[in-house]
Amino acid sequence: DGGITQSPKYLFRKEGQNVTLSCEQNLNHDAMYWYRQDPGQGLRLIYYSQIVNDFQKGDIAEGYSVSREKKESFPLTVTSAQKNPTAFYLCASSYRDTQETQYFGPGTRLLVL
Amino acid sequence: LAKTTQPISMDSYEGQEVNITCSHNNIATNDYITWYQQFPSQGPRFIIQGYKTKVTNEVASLFIPADRKSSTLSLPRVSLSDTAVYYCLVEAAGNKLTFGGGTRVLVKP
Repeated sequence: DGGITQSPKYLFRKEGQNVTLSCEQNLNHDAMYWYRQDPGQGLRLIYYSQIVNDFQKGDIAEGYSVSREKKESFPLTVTSAQKNPTAFYLCASSYRDTQETQYFGPGTRLLVL
Repeated sequence: LAKTTQPISMDSYEGQEVNITCSHNNIATNDYITWYQQFPSQGPRFIIQGYKTKVTNEVASLFIPADRKSSTLSLPRVSLSDTAVYYCLVEAAGNKLTFGGGTRVLVKP
Protein backbone atom coordinates (compact mmCIF):
# COMPACT_ATOMS: atom_id res chain seq x y z
CA ASP A 1 0.00 0.00 0.00
CA GLY A 2 1.94 3.02 -1.27
CA GLY A 3 1.72 6.44 0.27
CA ILE A 4 3.19 9.13 2.44
CA THR A 5 2.97 8.99 6.20
CA GLN A 6 3.55 11.54 8.92
CA SER A 7 3.93 11.02 12.61
CA PRO A 8 2.85 11.88 15.16
CA LYS A 9 -0.62 13.24 14.36
CA TYR A 10 -0.40 15.64 17.32
CA LEU A 11 2.79 16.92 18.95
CA PHE A 12 3.27 19.11 21.97
CA ARG A 13 6.34 21.24 22.45
CA LYS A 14 7.58 22.86 25.60
CA GLU A 15 9.31 26.23 25.57
CA GLY A 16 12.93 25.95 24.45
CA GLN A 17 12.52 22.41 23.18
CA ASN A 18 13.42 21.03 19.77
CA VAL A 19 10.94 18.58 18.26
CA THR A 20 11.19 16.44 15.15
CA LEU A 21 8.34 15.60 12.80
CA SER A 22 8.60 12.43 10.79
CA CYS A 23 7.77 12.05 7.09
CA GLU A 24 8.16 8.79 5.18
CA GLN A 25 7.16 7.86 1.64
CA ASN A 26 7.27 4.57 -0.25
CA LEU A 27 6.28 6.05 -3.61
CA ASN A 28 9.87 6.06 -4.89
CA HIS A 29 9.63 9.83 -5.27
CA ASP A 30 12.79 11.88 -5.60
CA ALA A 31 11.39 15.17 -4.31
CA MET A 32 9.99 15.88 -0.85
CA TYR A 33 8.61 19.05 0.75
CA TRP A 34 7.57 20.52 4.08
CA TYR A 35 4.79 23.09 4.36
CA ARG A 36 3.34 25.01 7.26
CA GLN A 37 -0.33 25.98 7.40
CA ASP A 38 -1.79 28.43 9.91
CA PRO A 39 -5.54 28.53 10.60
CA GLY A 40 -7.52 29.86 7.65
CA GLN A 41 -4.38 30.37 5.60
CA GLY A 42 -2.75 28.72 2.62
CA LEU A 43 0.38 26.58 2.72
CA ARG A 44 3.83 28.10 3.03
CA LEU A 45 6.94 26.20 1.96
CA ILE A 46 9.54 25.57 4.67
CA TYR A 47 12.10 23.34 2.96
CA TYR A 48 12.25 21.09 -0.04
CA SER A 49 14.59 18.42 -1.32
CA GLN A 50 14.88 17.18 -4.86
CA ILE A 51 17.54 14.56 -4.21
CA VAL A 52 19.14 12.69 -1.33
CA ASN A 53 21.65 14.72 0.70
CA ASP A 54 20.48 17.98 -0.83
CA PHE A 55 17.76 20.42 0.22
CA GLN A 56 16.82 24.06 -0.27
CA LYS A 57 15.17 26.66 1.92
CA GLY A 58 11.64 27.66 1.14
CA ASP A 59 9.93 30.90 2.08
CA ILE A 60 9.92 30.44 5.88
CA ALA A 61 12.95 28.29 6.75
CA GLU A 62 14.08 30.26 9.81
CA GLY A 63 13.76 28.21 12.99
CA TYR A 64 13.53 24.91 11.11
CA SER A 65 16.03 22.31 9.96
CA VAL A 66 15.80 19.20 7.78
CA SER A 67 17.87 16.25 6.64
CA ARG A 68 17.58 13.94 3.66
CA GLU A 69 19.81 10.95 4.33
CA LYS A 70 17.46 8.48 2.68
CA LYS A 71 15.19 8.82 -0.34
CA GLU A 72 12.21 7.68 1.70
CA SER A 73 12.61 10.00 4.66
CA PHE A 74 12.59 13.77 5.15
CA PRO A 75 12.32 14.67 8.86
CA LEU A 76 11.68 18.25 9.96
CA THR A 77 13.05 19.64 13.22
CA VAL A 78 11.31 22.61 14.76
CA THR A 79 13.99 24.30 16.83
CA SER A 80 13.66 26.54 19.85
CA ALA A 81 14.50 29.43 17.54
CA GLN A 82 11.05 29.13 15.97
CA LYS A 83 9.10 31.42 18.30
CA ASN A 84 5.64 30.69 16.95
CA PRO A 85 5.62 27.01 16.01
CA THR A 86 1.93 26.28 16.59
CA ALA A 87 0.60 25.23 13.17
CA PHE A 88 -0.42 22.32 10.95
CA TYR A 89 2.63 20.81 9.22
CA LEU A 90 2.27 19.01 5.92
CA CYS A 91 4.80 16.84 4.15
CA ALA A 92 4.55 16.11 0.45
CA SER A 93 6.45 14.25 -2.23
CA SER A 94 6.56 14.26 -6.01
CA TYR A 95 8.18 12.03 -8.60
CA ARG A 96 10.83 14.41 -9.82
CA ASP A 97 10.26 18.15 -9.49
CA THR A 98 7.66 20.65 -8.38
CA GLN A 99 5.69 20.49 -11.61
CA GLU A 100 4.85 16.87 -10.94
CA THR A 101 1.77 16.13 -8.87
CA GLN A 102 2.52 16.50 -5.17
CA TYR A 103 1.14 13.84 -2.83
CA PHE A 104 0.52 15.03 0.70
CA GLY A 105 0.64 13.23 4.01
CA PRO A 106 -2.09 13.52 6.66
CA GLY A 107 -0.26 16.26 8.55
CA THR A 108 1.04 16.84 12.07
CA ARG A 109 -0.52 19.43 14.33
CA LEU A 110 2.07 21.03 16.60
CA LEU A 111 0.98 22.76 19.77
CA VAL A 112 3.06 24.67 22.29
CA LEU A 113 2.50 23.98 25.99
CA LEU B 1 3.67 40.15 -6.16
CA ALA B 2 1.14 37.31 -5.95
CA LYS B 3 1.23 35.00 -8.94
CA THR B 4 -2.47 34.12 -8.73
CA THR B 5 -5.67 35.78 -7.60
CA GLN B 6 -8.83 33.83 -6.85
CA PRO B 7 -12.06 34.59 -4.96
CA ILE B 8 -11.91 34.10 -1.21
CA SER B 9 -15.14 32.14 -1.03
CA MET B 10 -18.09 30.86 -3.04
CA ASP B 11 -21.40 29.31 -2.07
CA SER B 12 -23.32 26.81 -4.15
CA TYR B 13 -26.09 24.21 -3.87
CA GLU B 14 -26.02 20.49 -4.41
CA GLY B 15 -26.33 19.50 -8.05
CA GLN B 16 -25.12 22.83 -9.39
CA GLU B 17 -21.98 23.46 -11.40
CA VAL B 18 -19.29 25.47 -9.62
CA ASN B 19 -16.84 27.56 -11.60
CA ILE B 20 -13.82 29.10 -9.90
CA THR B 21 -11.78 31.57 -11.91
CA CYS B 22 -8.12 32.22 -11.16
CA SER B 23 -6.25 35.22 -12.55
CA HIS B 24 -2.57 34.89 -13.38
CA ASN B 25 -1.70 37.92 -15.48
CA ASN B 26 2.05 37.37 -15.26
CA ILE B 27 2.08 33.72 -16.27
CA ALA B 28 5.29 32.70 -18.00
CA THR B 29 5.70 30.56 -21.07
CA ASN B 30 6.92 27.58 -19.06
CA ASP B 31 4.27 27.80 -16.33
CA TYR B 32 1.63 25.14 -15.88
CA ILE B 33 -1.67 25.70 -14.05
CA THR B 34 -2.52 23.25 -11.30
CA TRP B 35 -5.49 22.99 -8.95
CA TYR B 36 -5.57 21.28 -5.56
CA GLN B 37 -8.44 20.55 -3.17
CA GLN B 38 -8.09 20.59 0.61
CA PHE B 39 -10.50 19.37 3.28
CA PRO B 40 -10.13 20.56 6.89
CA SER B 41 -7.18 19.01 8.75
CA GLN B 42 -6.05 17.09 5.68
CA GLY B 43 -3.34 17.57 3.10
CA PRO B 44 -4.26 19.02 -0.30
CA ARG B 45 -5.15 16.64 -3.08
CA PHE B 46 -4.32 17.14 -6.76
CA ILE B 47 -7.37 17.77 -8.94
CA ILE B 48 -6.22 18.78 -12.38
CA GLN B 49 -3.38 20.37 -14.34
CA GLY B 50 -3.24 22.07 -17.70
CA TYR B 51 -1.19 24.27 -20.00
CA LYS B 52 -3.70 25.54 -22.55
CA THR B 53 -7.23 25.05 -23.93
CA LYS B 54 -9.29 22.51 -22.02
CA VAL B 55 -8.46 19.57 -19.82
CA THR B 56 -11.04 17.19 -18.39
CA ASN B 57 -10.80 14.28 -15.99
CA GLU B 58 -13.29 12.30 -13.93
CA VAL B 59 -13.43 15.01 -11.27
CA ALA B 60 -13.27 18.40 -12.99
CA SER B 61 -12.59 20.43 -16.10
CA LEU B 62 -10.03 23.17 -16.54
CA PHE B 63 -10.59 25.89 -19.10
CA ILE B 64 -7.63 28.04 -20.18
CA PRO B 65 -8.10 30.83 -22.75
CA ALA B 66 -5.57 31.48 -25.46
CA ASP B 67 -3.80 34.29 -23.58
CA ARG B 68 -3.47 32.03 -20.49
CA LYS B 69 -3.92 35.00 -18.17
CA SER B 70 -6.72 33.24 -16.34
CA SER B 71 -8.13 29.77 -15.89
CA THR B 72 -11.44 28.36 -14.68
CA LEU B 73 -11.90 25.22 -12.66
CA SER B 74 -15.32 23.69 -13.27
CA LEU B 75 -16.83 21.21 -10.82
CA PRO B 76 -19.94 19.59 -12.33
CA ARG B 77 -22.94 18.75 -10.18
CA VAL B 78 -21.34 19.36 -6.80
CA SER B 79 -22.33 17.49 -3.67
CA LEU B 80 -21.94 18.33 0.01
CA SER B 81 -18.63 16.45 0.02
CA ASP B 82 -17.16 18.98 -2.42
CA THR B 83 -17.12 21.59 0.35
CA ALA B 84 -13.43 22.38 0.60
CA VAL B 85 -10.73 24.93 -0.17
CA TYR B 86 -9.51 24.99 -3.76
CA TYR B 87 -6.03 26.29 -4.64
CA CYS B 88 -4.87 27.56 -8.01
CA LEU B 89 -1.11 27.32 -8.57
CA VAL B 90 1.01 28.54 -11.44
CA GLU B 91 4.56 27.32 -11.65
CA ALA B 92 7.21 26.05 -14.00
CA ALA B 93 9.08 22.81 -13.59
CA GLY B 94 11.88 23.15 -11.08
CA ASN B 95 10.34 26.09 -9.25
CA LYS B 96 8.80 25.77 -5.85
CA LEU B 97 5.02 25.87 -5.68
CA THR B 98 3.26 28.78 -4.01
CA PHE B 99 -0.10 28.12 -2.39
CA GLY B 100 -2.17 31.27 -1.95
CA GLY B 101 -5.18 31.56 0.32
CA GLY B 102 -7.39 29.50 -1.97
CA THR B 103 -11.15 29.66 -2.53
CA ARG B 104 -13.44 28.28 0.15
CA VAL B 105 -16.35 26.56 -1.55
CA LEU B 106 -19.41 25.83 0.57
CA VAL B 107 -21.98 23.48 -0.93
CA LYS B 108 -25.40 23.79 0.67
CA PRO B 109 -28.18 21.20 0.64
